[in-house]
Amino acid sequence: AQSVTQLDSQVPVFEEAPVELRCNYSSSVSVYLFWYVQYPNQGLQLLLKYLSGSTLVKGINGFEAEFNKSQTSFHLRKPSVHISDTAEYFCAVSWFSGNTGKLIFGQGTTLQVKP
Amino acid sequence: NAGVTQTPKFQVLKTGQSMTLQCAQDMNHEYMSWYRQDPGMGLRLIHYSVGAGITDQGEVPNGYNVSRSTTEDFPLRLLSAAPSQTSVYFCASSYKRTGNYGYTFGSGTRLTVV
Repeated sequence: AQSVTQLDSQVPVFEEAPVELRCNYSSSVSVYLFWYVQYPNQGLQLLLKYLSGSTLVKGINGFEAEFNKSQTSFHLRKPSVHISDTAEYFCAVSWFSGNTGKLIFGQGTTLQVKP
Repeated sequence: NAGVTQTPKFQVLKTGQSMTLQCAQDMNHEYMSWYRQDPGMGLRLIHYSVGAGITDQGEVPNGYNVSRSTTEDFPLRLLSAAPSQTSVYFCASSYKRTGNYGYTFGSGTRLTVV
């Protein structure tokens, strides 16, 4: 069975500092990997995705993530955060089984950027 | 483009009442799904559909029904509301069944069952 684990429920960080949000997954089949962001009282917005190819993926708002197959990880990073990055971040995996596809999410990590 | 539209945005129900959460998309996406979001549990898949006339259960289907009579619409029905169904519900859609083009989410319906 496929699963996603986000290792930190909350990550406090000061403005302009770097940040890493950790995500590990477990799967017996090939998967696609995603990071979504949810700003307060809004829906989810796609930050970036890994489908194949280069293991370093760049997304919107200066975020990037690195796919590490041997460690089954897909950690999200940003070199310098802003107050506006305060939000909840979700790691997700998608896979193809038979003729259907599914997307499952981790528990979420709340990024709190302090001035 | 409106994207994925969910109605209503807020709803309060009494225990035992039934209601339908509406979801519509105008992107001709074949894949649609419903999630519920609860604190500390991320988003959990309730039901999904890979096309008109085809639906299947996700992780937490009990107490919910769905149907997909058209490509555009994917309503979620609560048969007899319970306090445990208090949650924020999100509808999502995608072109491809594996979601490799990325899922588009609605803005959510916040449901309270008293």
